[in-house]
Formats: sequence, structure tokens, C-alpha cells
Amino acid sequence: AQKVTQAQTEISVVEKEDVTLDCVYETRDTTYYLFWYKQPPSGELVFLIRRNSFDEQNEISGRYSWNFQKSTSSFNFTITASQVVDSAVYFCALRRENTGNQFYFGTGTSLTVIP
Amino acid sequence: DGGITQSPKYLFRKEGQNVTLSCEQNLNHDAMYWYRQDPGQGLRLIYYSQIVNDFQKGDIAEGYSVSREKKESFPLTVTSAQKNPTAFYLCASSIRLAGGTDTQYFGPGTRLTVL
Repeated sequence: AQKVTQAQTEISVVEKEDVTLDCVYETRDTTYYLFWYKQPPSGELVFLIRRNSFDEQNEISGRYSWNFQKSTSSFNFTITASQVVDSAVYFCALRRENTGNQFYFGTGTSLTVIP
Repeated sequence: DGGITQSPKYLFRKEGQNVTLSCEQNLNHDAMYWYRQDPGQGLRLIYYSQIVNDFQKGDIAEGYSVSREKKESFPLTVTSAQKNPTAFYLCASSIRLAGGTDTQYFGPGTRLTVL
């Protein structure tokens, strides 16, 4: 079964703190893709990053960084020096190869950054 | 500007009525998707279409219907057979690549409330 677990339902941090959002996935496929999306209060999901299963390099984009570890089936997302605009619900998702692009979403982590 | 539009943003329906949600994209994407989001839950796939005049059921297709007569349009009808239709509905699209499809991009969503 394919599954994505985001164990943190809600997180609150004070502005400028660092925060890590956890994502653990399950799949038996050797080829798969992992994604993070941000859903601000407006509701639209905004694509943040895509990572394929053969690329375990960590990625940094400004204040955002992602740590992909196949050994622990995790794809964690860290926001450095958080800002109020980071307040949103963040979803991790898994896509298998050759399955018509079926995405499996986690239940999301609601992040609140307190000014 | 390229993107995905959904209309209306808010929709109210009386029990027993069918209602159609609009989704249009001008990204020239082949594949389109409909998801349902309930509070505290991830996204669940209703229907998807990888090409014009073809579509497949997702995990929760019962009580819903779709059509794909044009590449840029993928309307979703919520029928009276859907027992609990109040939810946030998100449309997405993606490029279709060999072996699967690519990153999904989302519209702003339609919030449906049954009175």
C-alpha cells in the first residue's frame, strides 16, 4: 500500500524560529516521486518541490530546505527563520511511476507562525 | 497569464440538486484532476483524465460525474447521489509524460456547501 504520514497535525512557532515538518512515506516501488505543497488560507495548493527516488541530495531554496532519506523513508521540510507569511497547511505527497499520476497526500501539517 | 481557474469560488446547493463545478486551464496540460478536501484531511482523488474524451475514477467517485470534451476544460458534477457533498473541491492539471505524468498544479478551489 502507498501511504504518506504527516504525524504533526499542528505546529506553532514564534517568528524567526526554525521549524521542521516531518513526512514519512511507504511504497514498494523503486521509482517514485515526492512533493511538498503549501496551502495558504486562500486555499490554493502551491507547489514547492519535487524529488525523485534516485536523487537523495538535499535541496535548499532560500529559507526552505528539504532532507530526503530513503533509509528512513522520510522527506522532511525545514523552514529557517520562519515568518508570518509561512503560516499555512503543508502537504507532503507521493506519486508512483506508471500509475496515471495518482498522488497520495498526507493529511497535512498546519503551521502557525506567531509574530 | 497561464493558470487554472475554478468557478465559482463559493457555491451553495439545496439537498437533492445537482451542481456543476467549473475547471479551466490554459497551460496546455494533457491531464486534469479533481480532488475533494475535508477539514483536517488530505486530498482525495475523485476523477482524473489523461486525455480528451477519456477519464478514470479515483478513490471516491461515487456521486460524482465528469466530462472531458475539450483539453482545457474538466467540469465536475456533484449529483444528488453524493451523500455528503459539503467540502472544498480542488482541480489540478499536469503535463503528461511517458511512464506517468508530472507535477500537478492546482486551481484556487471551490467551496461547496449543501443547505
